[in-house]
Amino acid sequence: AQSVTQLGSHVSVSEGALVLLRCNYSSSVPPYLFWYVQYPNQGLQLLLKYTTGATLVKGINGFEAEFKKSETSFHLTKPSAHMSDAAEYFCAVSGGSNYKLTFGKGTLLTVNP
Amino acid sequence: KAGVTQTPRYLIKTRGQQVTLSCSPISGHRSVSWYQQTPGQGLQFLFEYFSETQRNKGNFPGRFSGRQFSNSRSEMNVSTLELGDSALYLCASSLGEGGEQYFGPGTRLTVT
Repeated sequence: AQSVTQLGSHVSVSEGALVLLRCNYSSSVPPYLFWYVQYPNQGLQLLLKYTTGATLVKGINGFEAEFKKSETSFHLTKPSAHMSDAAEYFCAVSGGSNYKLTFGKGTLLTVNP
Repeated sequence: KAGVTQTPRYLIKTRGQQVTLSCSPISGHRSVSWYQQTPGQGLQFLFEYFSETQRNKGNFPGRFSGRQFSNSRSEMNVSTLELGDSALYLCASSLGEGGEQYFGPGTRLTVT
């Protein structure tokens, strides 16, 4: 069984500040980990993914995440927030022969001018 | 490459009716998954099809069903609609080997 916990349902930052969205996962098999972003009235857009190999993963729009097996974490960061980053962010896990994505509850990111 | 398309984008139905939603995956993708998104339950997996076969199924009642055609297009059907079925239904496609899934814009279903 797999599960995802996103700490903080709502995160608010100032424009130009560091963005840190937290994700912890549980998986009985080596996990594949993903971050998706959802803008209002839209589907989910893939930001980045970790499957195997390098644990620091770079994605689109300046986002990156680090897979830490010992901490079962996959936190999402961006050095400098932009107004256009305001959206809801979802962490997801899949693994083994089960290709379904298990999502966290999401974190709503607000960026203040 | 064109992205995942879903039709219709919006739908209003009455309790007891049935509904069919359609999804066209990215060209070359053989796996199609369906998810339900609601404010209360978040994103929940419905089922996944690969080469016309249902490979995974989530924990939803039998009123929810799906199928995949030989061209990888997929449909999902919900029979005997309930108010609680009001949700955004998202379709995602992938190459099918555990890789990333690409999502469509969703179908917003409202049951009155």
